[in-house]
Amino acid sequence: DTGVSQDPRHKITKRGQNVTFRCDPISEHNRLYWYRQTLGQGPEFLTYFQNEAQLEKSRLLSDRFSAERPKGSFSTLEIQRTEQGDSAMYLCASSIRRDSYGYTFGSGTRLTVV
Amino acid sequence: AQRVTQPEKLLSVFKGAPVELKCNYSYSGSPELFWYVQYSRQRLQLLLRHISRESIKGFTADLNKGETSFHLKKPFAQEEDSAMYYCALRGGSQGNLIFGKGTKLSVKP
Repeated sequence: DTGVSQDPRHKITKRGQNVTFRCDPISEHNRLYWYRQTLGQGPEFLTYFQNEAQLEKSRLLSDRFSAERPKGSFSTLEIQRTEQGDSAMYLCASSIRRDSYGYTFGSGTRLTVV
Repeated sequence: AQRVTQPEKLLSVFKGAPVELKCNYSYSGSPELFWYVQYSRQRLQLLLRHISRESIKGFTADLNKGETSFHLKKPFAQEEDSAMYYCALRGGSQGNLIFGKGTKLSVKP
């Protein structure tokens, strides 16, 4: 297990296209989080899962965004009809329940919408 | 509303000087506070958490509930400390962390 993996590392897409990102958490971690980070900002919470259940969604997560974690393992984040404002780094993190060790982050997927 | 404020975008010090990165939070209950660090071209990683009261890489942070602060300190900065530092809060029954905007620490030789 090499930690949290995210794929792809970079994605360039045209405005209006759909994109999907994948996150593979650490295998024994049952919580998985998605964050978005833009230049000069800290990570902003999007959503999180405990096992396969999506427990919380931020208001940042518009109806063009959808996330799944079908078997409580990997997760996908899809953005439909991308807009230039969606350009950002999308970070995935995982943790063991609500432990006090915080999260283990992936390297992120950098999305550029042109 | 829960909020984390890091008032300095950039902090520049010379090697061997003391460092204090400020973090203030807004939360009415008992928070959990963390410091994360991101070195150049590396992923975000946990530096320390208030609950453990530990010192990592010479850094310490004390939770001051009266001042709602969780400042990160190191008595003698090293060049390898240069990085982005993010303070984060988790409140109540929430699972998610709320991050500040970060402070870029630059340690000059």
